[in-house]
Amino acid sequence: EAQVTQNPRYLITVTGKKLTVTCSQNMNHEYMSWYRQDPGLGLRQIYYSMNVEVTDKGDVPEGYKVSRKEKRNFPLILESPSPNQTSLYFCASSQQGRTYNEQFFGPGTRLTVL
Amino acid sequence: DQQVKQNSPSLSVQEGRISILNCDYTNSMFDYFLWYKKYPAEGPTFLISISSIKDKNEDGRFTVFLNKSAKHLSLHIVPSQPGDSAVYFCAASGLSNFGNEKLTFGTGTRLTIIP
Repeated sequence: EAQVTQNPRYLITVTGKKLTVTCSQNMNHEYMSWYRQDPGLGLRQIYYSMNVEVTDKGDVPEGYKVSRKEKRNFPLILESPSPNQTSLYFCASSQQGRTYNEQFFGPGTRLTVL
Repeated sequence: DQQVKQNSPSLSVQEGRISILNCDYTNSMFDYFLWYKKYPAEGPTFLISISSIKDKNEDGRFTVFLNKSAKHLSLHIVPSQPGDSAVYFCAASGLSNFGNEKLTFGTGTRLTIIP
């Protein structure tokens, strides 16, 4: 089954404690992206990757890091989480090329930073 | 600066009637538009899209209309069914300020179909 998986699905942590949210896709997609969803703000792109070892900032990259060492994995790293990073996070992937290519989203990770 | 706007946070429609969800955009360089549907505790799923060179695209009960002069698009669902109750995101594709392709999402509209 074609899918994007994220782990963990739910996470409560404290300010400053480094964490990683994993994302993996099994569709051999080149393009992967991270979004956060906040009330009244919709989905905002954090980082994206056009292919292995190629990553770039989205609209709200501050406080986040990513890496793309393998095609299927695109982890999101919060080196020192803060309460304003409490949000619902989605990983997505699509075929390389135009972003109007249908993006497949993971189920989401709800993060709470105390 | 919200380049893609969905001004109605919520919408309630009777089952069997037409649901119309609206979306406005400000960037005339957007050249492709998409609608995504999201159920609680799930990720968004692609619903329907339209190229900027067209003014209508239809897929079963779902039709998207694009009015480029007004920078407005709408999603029509006919007839509405209880399973259509979800949050709908409008999205637009184009070049970012850095010259890369990106998808810009609206804030979403929560559609509730009343049985």
